[in-house]
Amino acid sequence: QVHLVQSGAEVKKPWASVKVSCKASGNTFSGYYMHWVRQAPGQGLEWMGRINTNSGGTNYAQKFQGRVTMSRDTSISTASMELRSLTSDDTAVYYCARIYSSSSGGMGFWGQGTLVTVSS
Amino acid sequence: SYVLTQPPSVSVAPGQTARIPCAGNNIGSKSVHWYQQKPGQAPVLVVYDDDDRPSGIPERFSGSTSGNTATLTIIRVEAGDEADYYCQVWDTSSDHVLFGGGTKLTVL
Repeated sequence: QVHLVQSGAEVKKPWASVKVSCKASGNTFSGYYMHWVRQAPGQGLEWMGRINTNSGGTNYAQKFQGRVTMSRDTSISTASMELRSLTSDDTAVYYCARIYSSSSGGMGFWGQGTLVTVSS
Repeated sequence: SYVLTQPPSVSVAPGQTARIPCAGNNIGSKSVHWYQQKPGQAPVLVVYDDDDRPSGIPERFSGSTSGNTATLTIIRVEAGDEADYYCQVWDTSSDHVLFGGGTKLTVL
């Protein structure tokens, strides 16, 4: 079974950066895209981007281009997402999500979520 | 840009059938995925690739697409099905994931 464990909650000041990590269990990391999705309080799901855990190639949502960096370390089965120049609008729960299978783009496995609070 | 439109809410009595639509231009040509999210929890994939169910998802959940609308159908609705439901596609023109705005399913 695939299990994704994310890093803990963060409180950041405006204009700071935050880095959230996502560790996958067992041999369930390489070969699958890992997505990052966020959800502001009371709002819907918002896609931020994805990383190819094999090649490291990324696709970022246009909204976050230039402000987000997704990376992975295959040696420790961990994906990370760094978001810079934070504002209060970035207060949200951030999720990593692995695709269900190599032939399907559905996000079948999700981390528990990391709450990032941006406040002065 | 491509947009997915869902009704904000759908209500259904226990034991009845709930149908949650997701509208998008020619959505029938895309693979549609559906997620269930309960308060305070991460989303759960309930239907992928239009009409397949991940292991562990009850057969009561099914998906279909036709023309400009994809539909998540839940038969014999239970109180535990009360949640927010999101549709999702991959937009090949932008290489982006798109989510619908979500539908709150209320079990009366």
